[in-house]
Amino acid sequence: SQKIEQNSEALNIQEGKTATLTCNYTNYSPAYLQWYRQDPGRGPVFLLLIRENEKEKRKERLKVTFDTTLKQSLFHITASQPADSATYLCALFDNYGQNFVFGPGTRLSVLP
Amino acid sequence: KAGVTQTPRYLIKTRGQQVTLSCSPISGHRSVSWYQQTPGQGLQFLFEYFSETQRNKGNFPGRFSGRQFSNSRSEMNVSTLELGDSALYLCASSWPEATSEATYEQYFGPGTRLTVT
Repeated sequence: SQKIEQNSEALNIQEGKTATLTCNYTNYSPAYLQWYRQDPGRGPVFLLLIRENEKEKRKERLKVTFDTTLKQSLFHITASQPADSATYLCALFDNYGQNFVFGPGTRLSVLP
Repeated sequence: KAGVTQTPRYLIKTRGQQVTLSCSPISGHRSVSWYQQTPGQGLQFLFEYFSETQRNKGNFPGRFSGRQFSNSRSEMNVSTLELGDSALYLCASSWPEATSEATYEQYFGPGTRLTVT
């Protein structure tokens, strides 16, 4: 069956460290993968998109990697700050259904 | 540019009733997608509209329907509400008019929190 999973429900890290979040998928062949940030009571906010032929994408303190062999994407936040505390969602583009499928999310807490 | 707006923000309905939710996409965006978000199932795709036509549909019963108007505004309707329909309903807009190919950056609204009692 098809699955998209994120490594943990919650992740706590100290301010200044690098947070690494994982997204794994099974029985999909996505052409695109995205990461979103969602704060309580709000809609998700688009952060980064990476294509299947791209290994890595960066935006300021954010970095995303996409390994189609491992069927995995890693999302890194360097020099993390308490303001980075939120739930982070990965989403892959299902070529068959032609829609985005979201992972369950990882709730990141950056402790001062 | 104004973001995606959704109305109403909160709604309480009774089982068996029907409800209509509204979404105004970012000006110039042609695609509107609807999602249901619950603690148990996460964010699930309902359907997508592009130029007033439904392009894709997720795995939801026929009680869930939608439409898009010529100004790209979209509505979603749920008939014969069930307790399990309680959720945050999100719409997302994408695909600026000036872009010939699909773009996949989705801009979400704040959502409508629907509670069915």
